[in-house]
Amino acid sequence: AQSVTQLDSQVPVFEEAPVELRCNYSSSVSVYLFWYVQYPNQGLQLLLKYLSGSTLVESINGFEAEFNKSQTSFHLRKPSVHISDTAEYFCAVSEGNEKLTFGTGTRLTIIP
Amino acid sequence: DVKVTQSSRYLVKRTGEKVFLECVQDMDHENMFWYRQDPGLGLRLIYFSYDVKMKEKGDIPEGYSVSREKKERFSLILESASTNQTSMYLCASRRTGLGRQHFGDGTRLSIL
Repeated sequence: AQSVTQLDSQVPVFEEAPVELRCNYSSSVSVYLFWYVQYPNQGLQLLLKYLSGSTLVESINGFEAEFNKSQTSFHLRKPSVHISDTAEYFCAVSEGNEKLTFGTGTRLTIIP
Repeated sequence: DVKVTQSSRYLVKRTGEKVFLECVQDMDHENMFWYRQDPGLGLRLIYFSYDVKMKEKGDIPEGYSVSREKKERFSLILESASTNQTSMYLCASRRTGLGRQHFGDGTRLSIL
């Protein structure tokens, strides 16, 4: 069965500093990987996804994630964070069926 | 843009009551999902539906049921509410396949 581990429940970062949010998955078959973001008092929004092709995927607001099959990881990075990036970030995995399995989330706090 | 609407943002009910949470989407999506979100546990899938009148159990279906009589509406039912069902409930919809799930803003349910 598929599973996702987000090792850090909270990550504080100074504004304009780089950040990495870690995500590792477990699956016996090929997977599809997603990062969702939840801003305060809102539902989740898709940030980026890996389905196939290039292992490096990017979002429109400067985040990127790299699929690493040998390390079973899909870490999310941004070279310079902004106050508006304050949110909770969820990694999710699908084995190609209709279900998504979510990680426990990482709360990103930006320090001015 | 896709709109997923959950009927209530906040709801307070008493133990033993039958509780209905409603979700409506406006993009003719086949798939709909109900999750609950708890601190430190992330999102857990309760039930999902591939299409009208179809339903599948998720990871934590106990104490819940669902109804999908029309394509745009997916209802979550707590048959006899208990205090351990106090949580944030999120509805999502998606076109069949690996596309992104579109989330509502959530219903924060308190069972007293």
